[in-house]
Amino acid sequence: QVQLQESGPGLVKPSETLSLTCAVSGYSISSGYSWGWIRQPPGKGLEWIGTIYHSGSTDYNPSLKSRVTISVDTSKNQFSLKLSSVTAADTAVYYCARTLTIFRNGWFDPWGQGTLVTVSS
Amino acid sequence: EIVLTQSPGTLSLSPGERATLSCRASQSVSSNYVAWYQQKPGQAPRLLIYGASSRATGIPDRFSGSGSGTDFTLTISRLEPEDFAVYYCQQYGSSPWTFGQGTKVEIK
Repeated sequence: QVQLQESGPGLVKPSETLSLTCAVSGYSISSGYSWGWIRQPPGKGLEWIGTIYHSGSTDYNPSLKSRVTISVDTSKNQFSLKLSSVTAADTAVYYCARTLTIFRNGWFDPWGQGTLVTVSS
Repeated sequence: EIVLTQSPGTLSLSPGERATLSCRASQSVSSNYVAWYQQKPGQAPRLLIYGASSRATGIPDRFSGSGSGTDFTLTISRLEPEDFAVYYCQQYGSSPWTFGQGTKVEIK
């Protein structure tokens, strides 16, 4: 079955760029589906960050759009998140997830286990 | 942006009881594009329901979803010990996709 695993630095300095990778196993990314990122600040709810569709196009949450880039590397069967100019408000558990879509409307299944990223100097 | 309000914030019930969780949207959700997730402490969310009422693969039939427009409900017919968790609704009918703040189902 499809499994996802996030990786990347657990600590990022303010104003720097957060970079995370999601490795996909059990399925070839190039075969289809869309892929997304969601985050959850400690003790709080979930926030959709963005999704990259099978076509290669992307949708981002407007609240983060100016700072977010999601890309796919089919040769490594993984996709990535970059979030620039981070502040303490970006401290959260970051999840990657397969996005099941009807046109450009999507829900998430399955999810990676999540990785905590702390923004601090 | 569609705001989802879940109620109650916490539901205290005993195993075997019925749980009814509400998710109300600030405006009508296109095509009833609502999903429900379960999250246990230290774990990632798990998809339960999509399309307001379709159960995800492997989800027991004690979980059911209903609703349309702005009002959606997740029902757990008979609570099992493993069902005590936080539940989130999500709308994906319009961008940005948004989540409710969650309902915690705790053991009474």
